[in-house]
Amino acid sequence: AQTVTQSQPEMSVQEAETVTLSCTYDTSENNYYLFWYKQPPSRQMILVIRQEAYKQQNATENRFSVNFQKAAKSFSLKISDSQLGDTAMYFCAFMGHGGQNFVFGPGTRLSVLP
Amino acid sequence: GAVVSQHPSRVICKSGTSVKIECRSLDFQATTMFWYRQFPKKSLMLMATSNEGSKATYEQGVEKDKFLINHASLTLSTLTVTSAHPEDSSFYICSAGVQGAHVAQHFGDGTRLSIL
Repeated sequence: AQTVTQSQPEMSVQEAETVTLSCTYDTSENNYYLFWYKQPPSRQMILVIRQEAYKQQNATENRFSVNFQKAAKSFSLKISDSQLGDTAMYFCAFMGHGGQNFVFGPGTRLSVLP
Repeated sequence: GAVVSQHPSRVICKSGTSVKIECRSLDFQATTMFWYRQFPKKSLMLMATSNEGSKATYEQGVEKDKFLINHASLTLSTLTVTSAHPEDSSFYICSAGVQGAHVAQHFGDGTRLSIL
């Protein structure tokens, strides 16, 4: 079974600084997808970034980028120029190629400080 | 982008009441939808997979007679919490998957259920 681990329950960062959230996972599959979702206090689940395992290039979405290390099964999220609106729970998630087996990590609570 | 609508956003009702929550995919068809429960400050816990035109698949420990799921069309899945009790109070959230170039799970805004 797939598992997703986020070893940092809470983190904080000063506004405009850069922060990296860690995620590791375990799977025997070769083709899969990885995601980072953001859940602000409103509790909406917002897709931040997506990575396809067969792509070596790290995904980037504006201030958000990932460091995908397939061999190490690591998928960290870097947030550059942190903004107050980035304060939220961040969940790392794994999805098998067939669209099943969608597994969330336990989450990291990020606080951006003014 | 893909939009999933969940209704109602908030329900407060008395113990013993049955509560229905709807999850709709607004601009795409979803043969499979997922229902999650989230406790405060915790991650999402998958309750069941809703399959259009067939029975839902429940995760271990989830009572199928307590949490009834119906997926009668390609755009609508419903979760009914039957004879709800205070311990059923929680945040329930649904999702539907999009395949292809923009594969992802898209989530409804969730339903906060409070049983008095």
